[in-house]
Amino acid sequence: AQKITQTQPGMFVQEKEAVTLDCTYDTSDQSYGLFWYKQPSSGEMIFLIYQGSYDEQNATEGRYSLNFQKARKSANLVISASQLGDSAMYFCAMRGVLNQAGTALIFGKGTTLSVSS
Amino acid sequence: DAGITQSPRYKITETGRQVTLMCHQTWSHSYMFWYRQDLGHGLRLIYYSAAADITDKGEVPDGYVVSRSKTENFPLTLESATRSQTSVYFCASRDDGRPDTQYFGPGTRLTVL
Repeated sequence: AQKITQTQPGMFVQEKEAVTLDCTYDTSDQSYGLFWYKQPSSGEMIFLIYQGSYDEQNATEGRYSLNFQKARKSANLVISASQLGDSAMYFCAMRGVLNQAGTALIFGKGTTLSVSS
Repeated sequence: DAGITQSPRYKITETGRQVTLMCHQTWSHSYMFWYRQDLGHGLRLIYYSAAADITDKGEVPDGYVVSRSKTENFPLTLESATRSQTSVYFCASRDDGRPDTQYFGPGTRLTVL
């Protein structure tokens, strides 16, 4: 079965520091994708970054980078130089095969990040 | 406005009532999805649709019905609402040619009393 595990319910970091949010996944598929979403207190789901299973380089988007370690089945999100506005819930997700009709996202339970000044 | 819209944004209803949550997207994406978000569970897939008139169950479909007569609309109906269906519901869509994207609507917060 496909599964995403986020073991950190909450993380605390000071402004300008880097923080790593952990994500491990389980799948038997060879082709898959990994996503990170941010959910601020306002509730919307904001796409941050994507990594394909065949991508050789780690994905980066501004201050966000995805530390993809395929052999360890981990896809950790690294936020450099944290800002107060980074305080939010963060979800790791994997594109999982539903059936021959298509795929959908399988989500972890999320990590709450709190950034203090 | 371009994107995904959901209505209503907030809804309070009583057990046993029928409730329909609406989802509309302007991109003509093939795939559309309904997820529910509950504390401690993250987001879980309720139903999805690969195209108009093609729908299938996700992880937690019991108590829900969907239809998709037009590509742009994907309503979710709770036929007889229960307290356990109190949740935040997200609609999402994806371009068939872009598996690296999935766009979410703003969510509907549903409370069943």
